[in-house]
Amino acid sequence: SQKIEQNSEALNIQEGKTATLTCNYTNYSPAYLQWYRQDPGRGPVFLLLIRENEKEKRKERLKVTFDTTLKQSLFHITASQPADSATYLCALDMRNYGQNFVFGPGTRLSVLP
Amino acid sequence: DGGITQSPKYLFRKEGQNVTLSCEQNLNHDAMYWYRQDPGQGLRLIYYSQIVNDFQKGDIAEGYSVSREKKESFPLTVTSAQKNPTAFYLCASSMWTGLNTGELFFGEGSRLTVL
Repeated sequence: SQKIEQNSEALNIQEGKTATLTCNYTNYSPAYLQWYRQDPGRGPVFLLLIRENEKEKRKERLKVTFDTTLKQSLFHITASQPADSATYLCALDMRNYGQNFVFGPGTRLSVLP
Repeated sequence: DGGITQSPKYLFRKEGQNVTLSCEQNLNHDAMYWYRQDPGQGLRLIYYSQIVNDFQKGDIAEGYSVSREKKESFPLTVTSAQKNPTAFYLCASSMWTGLNTGELFFGEGSRLTVL
């Protein structure tokens, strides 16, 4: 079955720097890969979706890349702010394989002032 | 505002009791899902439903039951058969189309603690 690893459980960076989070999966590539943000005690909120035929997607300070050869997605937050501190989840949309969404364990990002 | 409402936010249960978590959505989404979240683990799918009066088991369905009598509602019952029910439960909904481009919309979660 599909497994997802996200680079580290926790990542600390200095305000203003670029945060880079990694999502690696093991088996066949999904048609779509999604990133969510989750604040403590709350439900995840959708951020970005990238399709398998897209190399890169941007939204304001967020950038996502998708490399089906490496089976990896990178999630970047540029000019990071303390308000970006949260857990970020990677999710593979496997519905075209007769499955469902498969979520990674998440990376807890702390942006230090 | 459109969205998903889960209740209660916090719930305490004695061992041997069944409890039901409520999930209501007004997004007109066909698909609804229940996930369980434990510390350090990804979200795990309990049950999902693509249409009214139909639902499918997810990866960890044992000890749980659901119903889908209305499009807007997808309640989850945690039964006494669930051996380790203490967790954070998340309900979600999405469009279910042939293009599979629908993201998940989540509720605020229900935290269940077994005493």
